[in-house]
Amino acid sequence: RKEVEQDPGPFNVPEGATVAFNCTYSNSASQSFFWYRQDCRKEPKLLMSVYSSGNEDGRFTAQLNRASQYISLLIRDSKLSDSATYLCVVVNGSSNTGKLIFGQGTTLQVKP
Amino acid sequence: NAGVTQTPKFQVLKTGQSMTLQCAQDMNHEYMSWYRQDPGMGLRLIHYSVGAGITDQGEVPNGYNVSRSTTEDFPLRLLSAAPSQTSVYFCASTPGPNSGQPQHFGDGTRLSIL
Repeated sequence: RKEVEQDPGPFNVPEGATVAFNCTYSNSASQSFFWYRQDCRKEPKLLMSVYSSGNEDGRFTAQLNRASQYISLLIRDSKLSDSATYLCVVVNGSSNTGKLIFGQGTTLQVKP
Repeated sequence: NAGVTQTPKFQVLKTGQSMTLQCAQDMNHEYMSWYRQDPGMGLRLIHYSVGAGITDQGEVPNGYNVSRSTTEDFPLRLLSAAPSQTSVYFCASTPGPNSGQPQHFGDGTRLSIL
């Protein structure tokens, strides 16, 4: 089993739709969680961190469920510019020596 | 501020050749990583370093060597290139994986092994 798993999609949604992605992780001791965005043939960039209590940044909401070992990303009112691959990242290990493990990414295509 | 600089951006090698992918950062980050990205596979961790003189293996270390003689530089070496190593390689740095700070990525190196 992979340490971090995502549904690769693609998710094809119309503009204005709400879409949610999940990411499961296998290591119950994982400490930190992030969502990154990657545009075609570009480097990944941080979208948002995921906090235990859940957090929101504009149209984006991230949540963590430690009991079930998954994180989620909700995008409301999808824009054409949201089309990208969304990567979840899990940090395994202690403090500053852990490994950052990426999921394989979920592709989102927002259509007019 | 250059951030993370990777060189070269593109490279074609023949099977069995060796080469070094360079990575340098000017943000005084302790933690640096190398990833490879293949279609449908996401980013897979090759090697990482938590500081100068310290390196460790990631998910797919076979066929690659690294060293970290300075905080700034983290080169990745392919000793004997194989077609299975055709991929896009990303170098990244951060103050620390649990620092709350994002990883900064280089632009990537697109490597083809014939």
